[in-house]
Amino acid sequence: KNEVEQSPQNLTAQEGEFITINCSYSVGISALHWLQQHPGGGIVSLFMLSSGKKKHGRLIATINIQEKHSSLHITASHPRDSAVYICAVGANDMRFGAGTRLTVKP
Amino acid sequence: GAVVSQHPSWVICKSGTSVKIECRSLDFQATTMFWYRQFPKQSLMLMATSNEGSKATYEQGVEKDKFLINHASLTLSTLTVTSAHPEDSSFYICSASQGAGNTEAFFGQGTRLTVV
Repeated sequence: KNEVEQSPQNLTAQEGEFITINCSYSVGISALHWLQQHPGGGIVSLFMLSSGKKKHGRLIATINIQEKHSSLHITASHPRDSAVYICAVGANDMRFGAGTRLTVKP
Repeated sequence: GAVVSQHPSWVICKSGTSVKIECRSLDFQATTMFWYRQFPKQSLMLMATSNEGSKATYEQGVEKDKFLINHASLTLSTLTVTSAHPEDSSFYICSASQGAGNTEAFFGQGTRLTVV
C-alpha cells in the first residue's frame, strides 16, 4: 500500500464547478504539501500545512491530523486550473501521491 | 515565494555520455536540496538528499556512482547522470529548502532528459 493515496486519479469538471481532491496518508508527518504540476512538468508548491486550513485565492487546503487526511478545494474552477495536483507528505524529503489529473472544460 | 532555477529545462544526449543538471536557489540559501525523478505517468520519487558541504544521502535503489550529486555552495546543487542509458530518460526535479525540519521546500522547473 502506498504511503500517500490520492483520489480521484482523474477528474473532469465544467468551468465554475467546485472541486475537491482528497489525500490520505499512512505515516506520521510533520507537514503535508499540495503541489501543482503543469503539462510541461514544472511544479509549483501551493500549500504546506501541518494543521487546520489554509486559503490562497480560490484554493483552500485542509488537513485532519487525527484522521490522516487532507483535502484540496478549488472554488469557481477555471480551465487554467487544469493540471496534475499532487499531495506530498514530509517536511523536506517528501513522499508523493500519484497525483490527480484535473481537466476543467470551458 | 522563493525561486529555484533548474537548468537545462530539457536535454537530449547520446547513450554513454554524461549530463549535468543544475539547481540554483536564487533568493535564499538552501542548506538542503533534494533531487527527484519522475517517469511518465508515475509519481515523483526521491533520489537523494544533499546538504551543503557534505555527501548526498541516496535513496535505496539509486546508484550513487551513476547519479553524482554535488552541493558545493548554499545556492547550487548539481546532478550529473553519468554514462547515460535510454532507461535514464526521465523528468528530473530539484527542490531546495532553507533548513531541516518543518521548512518549506521550493521546486525547480524540472529537466526532461532524453537519452538516445
